[in-house]
Amino acid sequence: QGQLVQSGAEVKKPGASVKVSCKVSGYTLSEISMHWVRQAPGKGLEWMGTSDPEDGETIFAQKFEGRVTMTEDTSTDTAYMELSTLRSEDTAVYFCASARGNDGFDIWGQGTMVTVSS
Amino acid sequence: DIQMTQSPSTLSASVGDRVTITCRASQSISFWLAWYQQKPGKAPKLLIYKASSLETGVPSRFSGSGSGTEFTLTISSLQPDDFATYYCQQYNTYSWTFGQGTKVDIK
Repeated sequence: QGQLVQSGAEVKKPGASVKVSCKVSGYTLSEISMHWVRQAPGKGLEWMGTSDPEDGETIFAQKFEGRVTMTEDTSTDTAYMELSTLRSEDTAVYFCASARGNDGFDIWGQGTMVTVSS
Repeated sequence: DIQMTQSPSTLSASVGDRVTITCRASQSISFWLAWYQQKPGKAPKLLIYKASSLETGVPSRFSGSGSGTEFTLTISSLQPDDFATYYCQQYNTYSWTFGQGTKVDIK
C-alpha cells in the first residue's frame, strides 16, 4: 500500500519562502504524477500544480505562476514544493497527492501546516 | 479556467437518508470528474473517479453519475461515518479544479 509522508509544520515571515517535502513509499515517483493542493483554514481545496518526473514537465494553476516551484528527487522518491514571496493569505495546509493517469488523486500526504505571520 | 459549482453548500440529513450532491462544470469535461470525502483535520479521500467508477475499498452505497457539465454523487443510505465534507474535482486539458465543497451534517 502506497504512502506519502510530508515534512513538518513551518512558520514563516511575509516575503520568505517555504519548501515542503513529500516522500513516496510503497511505489516510486516515476509511476505517478505528483500534485500539490492547499487548504486555507476553514476553506475549500485549491489545486496548485503538478509535476511529472518522467518528462520533467510542470503545470501550475495560473495564480501561482512565478511563485511556485515543484521538483522531484527520483533517487530518494521525494517530491518538493517551494512557494516564494509568502503573504498572510498563503497560510494553509499544503497536501501532496499522487495520481495514476487521470483516475483521481488516490493517495494523499498527511498535510503540512504553513503559517505566514510577522 | 473551468469553474465547478456544487450544490447545496450544506446539507442536513439523518442516518438512513438518501443523499444527492450536484456538481456543475462551466464547460464540458466529458467524464473527467472525481469525488472526495474530507473529515476535519484529515486529508481528502478519493471516492469516485471518471464520474462513476468506485475507488477500491469505498462502500457501494456511494455512487456517481453524469457527463458533460452535470454530475451527481449519491449516498444511498447515509451512515454515521459519512458525515463529512464532499468535493468534486474536474480534470480537463492539464487543469484541475475543485468545487467549493458540500458539508453533510446531522439533522
